Amino acid sequence: GAGVSQSPRYKVAKRGQDVALRCDPISGHVSLFWYQQALGQGPEFLTYFQNEAQLDKSGLPSDRFFAERPEGSVSTLKIQRTQQEDSAVYLCASSPGTEKNEQYFGPGTRLTVT
Amino acid sequence: DAKTTQPPSMDCAEGRAANLPCNHSTISGNEYVYWYRQIHSQGPQYIIHGLKNNETNEMASLIITEDRKSSTLILPHATLRDTAVYYCIVRVARAQGGSEKLVFGKGMKLTVNP
Repeated sequence: GAGVSQSPRYKVAKRGQDVALRCDPISGHVSLFWYQQALGQGPEFLTYFQNEAQLDKSGLPSDRFFAERPEGSVSTLKIQRTQQEDSAVYLCASSPGTEKNEQYFGPGTRLTVT
Repeated sequence: DAKTTQPPSMDCAEGRAANLPCNHSTISGNEYVYWYRQIHSQGPQYIIHGLKNNETNEMASLIITEDRKSSTLILPHATLRDTAVYYCIVRVARAQGGSEKLVFGKGMKLTVNP
């Protein structure tokens, strides 16, 4: 079956521009996660949804970062007024919400802010 | 979540067993040990998890010491495609109020050589 997909795969933005990153989770998965991965580091948690409810946004680095999942399926991570330090790979993961908590990751979107 | 310690890197010959160690000396009784891996330019992939009993699936085996302060992930017959960064993560079960998010460290780079 189809896995988690993300678009675009690569994004180059000029400093100060707004960007929107899309995640299509596995159909039926109730949980959706966003992570940020800097070069050479492990992924770092940004935010988590259960269906359309954003239950944890403790990892969002600033109020320039905003995520939504209005219908409990597709999610968008928006970064306003991008800065160079926002350059990273943004990973989306979904999970069926079982006790196993197996998270299925997409390929990521590589954001480069110039 | 408890912190884990992994060596930064390890080499293994193709066809041999790869034994990947992880220390989690401060693990609590209700925390599971999870292993994920990340192949270059891909999102992380779930491998296996366990609480205190040894576990085996089609990908790997997980051996947890009796005191649960360390564990070993075993890839029985490593192939070149197993070259990746491997992450050992501990987290509380959902049913006991554990956070859904995964807390990754830097992981361990496994290189399988021909």
